[in-house]
Amino acid sequence: NAGVTQTPKFRVLKTGQSMTLLCAQDMNHEYMYWYRQDPGMGLRLIHYSVGEGTTAKGEVPDGYNVSRLKKQNFLLGLESAAPSQTSVYFCASSYTGGWNQPQHFGDGTRLSIL
Amino acid sequence: QQQVKQSPQSLIVQKGGISIINCAYENTAFDYFPWYQQFPGKGPALLIAIRPDVSEKKEGRFTISFNKSAKQFSLHIMDSQPGDSATYFCAATGKETSGSRLTFGEGTQLTVNP
Repeated sequence: NAGVTQTPKFRVLKTGQSMTLLCAQDMNHEYMYWYRQDPGMGLRLIHYSVGEGTTAKGEVPDGYNVSRLKKQNFLLGLESAAPSQTSVYFCASSYTGGWNQPQHFGDGTRLSIL
Repeated sequence: QQQVKQSPQSLIVQKGGISIINCAYENTAFDYFPWYQQFPGKGPALLIAIRPDVSEKKEGRFTISFNKSAKQFSLHIMDSQPGDSATYFCAATGKETSGSRLTFGEGTQLTVNP
């Protein structure tokens, strides 16, 4: 039981390049989330999904797109990377219908944009 | 706009001491307040959570105190140990919050000296 797995763990991009971050969970969770973590700012929600085929904007969605084609996967895309998107990205998942259900996090993707 | 404010940003305590981290929230619709613990290189993990119908919740050395009228809550770590050295995040959500999204505080980096 791997929990939440994020791929890749590290990546360096040049400004303007594109890439996709992959999140996979094996807990049959309905809800999935993408956060970014920056020093002194906590975790900020980028996009989230409440089920397969659904996505919604979070607090800081600009410059990112997401897709949830399969229940177990949640993809985060950067179409044209900018230095301001240098951050640590975390994916999380939680069980269905639970406003008070714990979110389970992956170990993050460290992304640097040069 | 940061709806959950956390302090202090960093905290250093001696082994055996008490660590106290404080959070304040603005949204009166919040009714679930979890704390997450994050070790370096890892994702956050749920530590303890409280609902506002109780003023205190204790799990081992960790206690949440909740003051609904002041819209404040705090984490107390009794008999702090070097293994408690981590970053701690308070968070909040509610039954009416779309997607059960969490709003996180800025985080507190705790160092427990041996």
